[in-house]
Amino acid sequence: IVLTQSPGTLSLSPGDTATLSCRASQSIGSNYVAWYQYRPGQAPRLLIHGASRRATDIPDRFSGSGSGTDFTLTISRLEPEDFAVYYCQQYGTSPRYTFGQGTRLE
Amino acid sequence: QVQLQESGPGLVKPSETLSLTCTVSGGSISSGGYFWSWIRQHPGKGLEWIGYIYQSGSTFYNPSLKSRLTMSVDTSQNHFSLRLTSVTAADTAVYYCVREANYNNYGSYYYYMDVWGKGTTVTVSS
Repeated sequence: IVLTQSPGTLSLSPGDTATLSCRASQSIGSNYVAWYQYRPGQAPRLLIHGASRRATDIPDRFSGSGSGTDFTLTISRLEPEDFAVYYCQQYGTSPRYTFGQGTRLE
Repeated sequence: QVQLQESGPGLVKPSETLSLTCTVSGGSISSGGYFWSWIRQHPGKGLEWIGYIYQSGSTFYNPSLKSRLTMSVDTSQNHFSLRLTSVTAADTAVYYCVREANYNNYGSYYYYMDVWGKGTTVTVSS
């Protein structure tokens, strides 16, 4: 399964709402999709798993949705620390995981 | 709060062996319930899952790396390690150690990476 994220770069301002897309080349069973945040110099952070389940301590400004082949990460009321790179990932069998190429939120 | 820290040489010569260790703090590998994994990101490219090891020592590797890869775990030292032999420039990447958690979705489990190290850059060059 190939994951394609769009847009490659998203330019917004603090307070805006960001909508990040992740499209799979074929249907992802049971919505086994996760989203991660990468900030320079920091450990990547899990945001969402199971397409819509927020990870521990993730603010409710972050939400995930979607099913089948189309998944979305929405970040509302953008804060300065939200400007980072975001990756979607699907859990499968072989390979165990595949990742999207990332969306840079600037 | 569980934290992971990668360590190892930042420069490895071609054809030699890359060895990395991930030290776990704030939690115990022996507590079970998680897989302990490695992921890498090549410069300017995507993320690649390398493999995992369980506390028992059982492993599962990415088929593309299986012939060169060995992972091990030391529960007494609370760390796990990676050995990748016969490296080439294609193994140049940022290497992350991660913890894989699972979720029971109505009797079907799926996995995701809930804790990550900050990553360590490994360059293969003479």
